Amino acid sequence: KNEVEQSPQNLTAQEGEFITINCSYSVGISALHWLQQHPGGGIVSLFMLSSGKKKHGRLIATINIQEKHSSLHITASHPRDSAVYICAALVNRDDKIIFGKGTRLHILP
Amino acid sequence: ETGVTQTPRHLVMGMTNKKSLKCEQHLGHNAMYWYKQSAKKPLELMFVYSLEERVENNSVPSRFSPECPNSSHLFLHLHTLQPEDSALYLCASSRLTGTGYEKLFFGSGTQLSVL
Repeated sequence: KNEVEQSPQNLTAQEGEFITINCSYSVGISALHWLQQHPGGGIVSLFMLSSGKKKHGRLIATINIQEKHSSLHITASHPRDSAVYICAALVNRDDKIIFGKGTRLHILP
Repeated sequence: ETGVTQTPRHLVMGMTNKKSLKCEQHLGHNAMYWYKQSAKKPLELMFVYSLEERVENNSVPSRFSPECPNSSHLFLHLHTLQPEDSALYLCASSRLTGTGYEKLFFGSGTQLSVL
């Protein structure tokens, strides 16, 4: 079992829908990244957070340290949001980074 | 544009070839990483260079050889690769501070095909 689990693996939604992607981890972390990977491979770091909530445009990331869970929300989703979203945990004990397998999001026009 | 540049973008090589991947960042970061992304697998960390010293090597085969001549440049030298090494190779950089690593910045990757 991977120490970082994401759900769902695949998600297809209509334009305008509110999207939630979940990430659960089983290790002690110092921070958690949310990354976006577009077709073609380029990866962009969306958020790095260690507590609470961060917002950037239509994207919101939350983390609950006690429950070892983070969510990425997209409001008013758009076809250009179609990408793979990856969460990555920065592990406390050795500064390793453990990646989830990613969630493939497809927004239909 | 993330500030991390990788070349080449695509590479096709035979199993007996020797090639190198290059990564460059001018973000003032002091840690650089090589990741491998195979189909349907999570990103795998191959090497980390922090303050120009290699601090982690997750049992990557010796046919992959990293080089970090300075804090802005990172190379991955490839020789006698196998077809199963075909993957997307991503470089990333970040800043290492007293409280740990900060946000990762990724390059666009090199799509490698080994024939």
